[in-house]
Amino acid sequence: EIVMTQSPATLSLFPGERATLSCRASQNIRSYLAWYQQKPGQAPRLVIDGASTGATGIPARFSGSGSGTEFTLTISSLQSEDFAVYYCQQYHNWPLTFGGGTNVEIK
Amino acid sequence: QLRLQESGPGLVKPSETLSLTCTVSGGSISSSTHYWVWIRQPPGKGLEWIGSIYHSGDTNDNPSLKSRVSISVDTSKSQFSLRLSSVTAADTAVYYCARRPYYHGMDVWGQGTTVTVSS
Repeated sequence: EIVMTQSPATLSLFPGERATLSCRASQNIRSYLAWYQQKPGQAPRLVIDGASTGATGIPARFSGSGSGTEFTLTISSLQSEDFAVYYCQQYHNWPLTFGGGTNVEIK
Repeated sequence: QLRLQESGPGLVKPSETLSLTCTVSGGSISSSTHYWVWIRQPPGKGLEWIGSIYHSGDTNDNPSLKSRVSISVDTSKSQFSLRLSSVTAADTAVYYCARRPYYHGMDVWGQGTTVTVSS
């Protein structure tokens, strides 16, 4: 099983600041990585697919990078609606696995 | 626009079988380029993939669930279903169904349904 490790667990930032979230895979997953945003009481929403492709309807301030084992989700300028928990997930191998999440909270 | 909706009992007794159905509307469940997926989230915790099914009925499931999982599809009803046997309190969670295109992340999710395991 591929283990996905996200850091930090919590990120406290002001609106307008840049957010940088990290995700590490325990083995090479090429670019088979997705990022999801989840707000309280809601289902997750796909934000980035294929490590770097924005999903439908996602603002351009969200970007993803990386391949192999190291990945980054960047939110260039945090808006109020961006404060949420973000999960990475690999789909290179079965079983599909998720990281533990990063909570982006308002400072 | 594709929509997924979970349905099923909100309360299941320990040792019994949890059964949920996901109804797909606004699109075809018979697509040859998508998997149909079950994911769960225990209270206050992260996401766990349960298993996936293709329209042909081929499945993959999470070994951590120790063969308690059965996923099936009924294309005539545009539904796919989850059965999880021998449940315990650790199976209490919000259960989501989702669509996953081949070689992509899960792009459409249901709203989720809460299942509590308790006597």
